[in-house]
Amino acid sequence: GQQVMQIPQYQHVQEGEDFTTYCNSSTTLSNIQWYKQRPGGHPVFLIQLVKSGEVKKQKRLTFQFGEAKKNSSLHITATQTTDVGTYFCAGPNRGSQGNLIFGKGTKLSVKP
Amino acid sequence: KAGVTQTPRYLIKTRGQQVTLSCSPISGHRSVSWYQQTPGQGLQFLFEYFSETQRNKGNFPGRFSGRQFSNSRSEMNVSTLELGDSALYLCASSFAQGLNTEAFFGQGTRLTVV
Repeated sequence: GQQVMQIPQYQHVQEGEDFTTYCNSSTTLSNIQWYKQRPGGHPVFLIQLVKSGEVKKQKRLTFQFGEAKKNSSLHITATQTTDVGTYFCAGPNRGSQGNLIFGKGTKLSVKP
Repeated sequence: KAGVTQTPRYLIKTRGQQVTLSCSPISGHRSVSWYQQTPGQGLQFLFEYFSETQRNKGNFPGRFSGRQFSNSRSEMNVSTLELGDSALYLCASSFAQGLNTEAFFGQGTRLTVV
């Protein structure tokens, strides 16, 4: 079935270092979404990418959608302690727009 | 506007019991999805309802069921609880039309089975 894979599973960085998480889908996606879940919290929507090769920025966060619309990445420049959490990518199930298939997430810890 | 509301927030049940969790989506959203989250397993899709119809179902046993009401509120039920059902159950609502598929999650129900 349709799968979304994410690497790495964990990432420990020193505050100020950069961080990147990668997402790969087994199928072409109409769009890809990124979510952040703080410890003890619930996933919160960050962004949606729709176009092939699209790049979007939110302050220190840069999101990319691959040319083939099967992979994506999230890059954080100069991490801060507030970036701590688990970052998930998700793509819509081909069979239903309301059903998202999530990657297992990358858990980011930042050492001050 | 109000966010997604899940009740109860915490629940402790014993093996063999059944449980019902509730989710009120964002006003205007007709799609409600349920996910089970356990450490190391990420967000595993349970089922999705749209306009009172189950559109998709994940790979969970029949003990897990759900329904959606005409006001889009949704419930999920787990019967004959097992220890392995202990998890955070998250509900997400979505407009789910065109490219408006982003999910808005509730705070979840933390279920502990003892």
